[in-house]
Amino acid sequence: KQEVTQIPAALSVPEGENLVLNCSFTDSAIYNLQWFRQDPGKGLTSLLLIQSSQREQTSGRLNASLDKSSGRSTLYIAASQPGDSATYLCAAPPTSGTYKYIFGTGTRLKVLA
Amino acid sequence: DAGVIQSPRHEVTEMGQEVTLRCKPISGHDYLFWYRQTMMRGLELLIYFNNNVPIDDSGMPEDRFSAKMPNASFSTLKIQPSEPRDSAVYFCASSLGRGFVYFGEGSWLTVV
Repeated sequence: KQEVTQIPAALSVPEGENLVLNCSFTDSAIYNLQWFRQDPGKGLTSLLLIQSSQREQTSGRLNASLDKSSGRSTLYIAASQPGDSATYLCAAPPTSGTYKYIFGTGTRLKVLA
Repeated sequence: DAGVIQSPRHEVTEMGQEVTLRCKPISGHDYLFWYRQTMMRGLELLIYFNNNVPIDDSGMPEDRFSAKMPNASFSTLKIQPSEPRDSAVYFCASSLGRGFVYFGEGSWLTVV
């Protein structure tokens, strides 16, 4: 059964800092991995999707990497801004069984102005 | 496109009442997911459909929960009878194949 863990659970950084969020998954045979952002009281917004054959994806100040062999993904945020404050979640559906997106518990990020 | 549309956005109901949550996925998407989010358990997948067919409902808590997808543009999640422990945010999401997953804004359910 796929289990997804995110560390740290919460993070507070000053504006402008580069930061890394971590995501670990137990079943390395995955279709893909997605990173999402959730603002308070809102739904989730997909940020990046990495296919199983890819090593990384970039979108603006965001870069996500995937290492299936170690069961890890990282989300790198460059030059953080207060508007980046949100909860970040990762999800990875394993190739075994049905196509179920299993979510981590998230990292709550606060960027201080 | 308007994105995934859910209704109602907020619902307060009394224990024992029937609750119906509705979802309109993004046009053309062939996967539809229902999730429940609580502080204690995080995001839990309840059920998902592929081409309107339920594929995995192993996350549905019990027989009080049921979901249907009568056509490609509409799905419902029904709770009957509702209980206070069902209070949560229920999200509907859709995707085209195994691509980006798009979430609705959620239905905030409170059972008193």
